[in-house]
Amino acid sequence: GAGVSQSPSNKVTEKGKDVELRCDPISGHTALYWYRQSLGQGLEFLIYFQGNSAPDKSGLPSDRFSAERTGGSVSTLTIQRTQQEDSAVYLCASSLVGQGAKNIQYFGAGTRLSVL
Amino acid sequence: RKEVEQDPGPFNVPEGATVAFNCTYSNSASQSFFWYRQDCRKEPKLLMSVYSSGNEDGRFTAQLNRASQYISLLIRDSKLSDSATYLCVAADSWGKLQFGAGTQVVVTP
Repeated sequence: GAGVSQSPSNKVTEKGKDVELRCDPISGHTALYWYRQSLGQGLEFLIYFQGNSAPDKSGLPSDRFSAERTGGSVSTLTIQRTQQEDSAVYLCASSLVGQGAKNIQYFGAGTRLSVL
Repeated sequence: RKEVEQDPGPFNVPEGATVAFNCTYSNSASQSFFWYRQDCRKEPKLLMSVYSSGNEDGRFTAQLNRASQYISLLIRDSKLSDSATYLCVAADSWGKLQFGAGTQVVVTP
């Protein structure tokens, strides 16, 4: 499809398990972002990839969280040893350019993670 | 302090009325600004970019005040379908976006 694709759309896991969330950005978009949104809350920035630059990991809440972007396209967000407080919707977005007024982010539908 | 702050609302607006709300941003180096709209349990979608001179898109008007570091959104002739959470966004020169927590608007018949 033409939009940002995320999988799975829903994920239920047990506390302590690892999970991987996938994001397929819009083709050609150089920038990719991960956010987290808890119920009724705003978006919490997690990590930002821009071209070949080192990612901005300043938003990752703990060392249990990591993300990769292979080949400048698909990204995987990994959460190790999940905790109940990790339960949230994880949103991925991509944009065509990394700076300037045209940096419009297009969001995927998100992965709803539930940690039991 | 959050980089982008918004009144969470809700703003309860009769259908056909006008509603306006602001957000403030703390990073004076912010380069570009946007309003996004988020419907319940859906992903955010771009509503409009905000330009220095102010801009309109149909019933929506956005203003930017760099001196006071705030952005506003005005919705005229509100429709029931305008009910949503409106997210204020400020971006730095590297494209990193800071989202506000959102302002909820509820348009009532």
